[in-house]
Amino acid sequence: ILNVEQSPQSLHVQEGDSTNFTCSFPSSNFYALHWYRWETAKSPEALFVMTLNGDEKKKGRISATLNTKEGYSYLYIKGSQPEDSATYLCAFETSYDKVIFGPGTSLSVIP
Amino acid sequence: ETGVTQTPRHLVMGMTNKKSLKCEQHLGHNAMYWYKQSAKKPLELMFVYNFKEQTENNSVPSRFSPECPNSSHLFLHLHTLQPEDSALYLCASSPSREMNTEAFFGQGTRLTVV
Repeated sequence: ILNVEQSPQSLHVQEGDSTNFTCSFPSSNFYALHWYRWETAKSPEALFVMTLNGDEKKKGRISATLNTKEGYSYLYIKGSQPEDSATYLCAFETSYDKVIFGPGTSLSVIP
Repeated sequence: ETGVTQTPRHLVMGMTNKKSLKCEQHLGHNAMYWYKQSAKKPLELMFVYNFKEQTENNSVPSRFSPECPNSSHLFLHLHTLQPEDSALYLCASSPSREMNTEAFFGQGTRLTVV
């Protein structure tokens, strides 16, 4: 059974703080790792698609790293803002076309 | 707005009803997806269509029947559902099934089976 874990489950930070969370996935049969942001009452929004070990991607204040050998990815948010409040999902895509989502990390940024 | 539109936004149906969920995108994408989000469970990929052909069915019960008449439209036909099928059903599209492309999601249909 393929298992994707995310930690922490939820997080409360003050506005301006930087934060990070983790996605853990199987280290075999890796094809891609996706990060999504899902705000309440909105559609999930794709943040990054990462395919290569050592990949680092950045979009504004948000960045992500990937380690496929040990099976983890970190998502970093620099200088959190209230509009960053959302659930952050990672999804592990296998080389045989399976996609497994993690349970998400719920981030609340307190003004 | 992501360019992916789902209707209806909310649906309540009885276990003997037949209903359909609709998804539409005019982004020129060739891959479309159905996902299910049950309470307190991770998002699950149900079906994938690539260039109108179904390429994946992730062990979904036959009471869920997808249809993709063209690259812009995707349906999920529902028949004799169970209360445990109550969930948020999300549609998404991407340029193709190639893994390094981002998917765009609709806002979902909140389904309640009574």
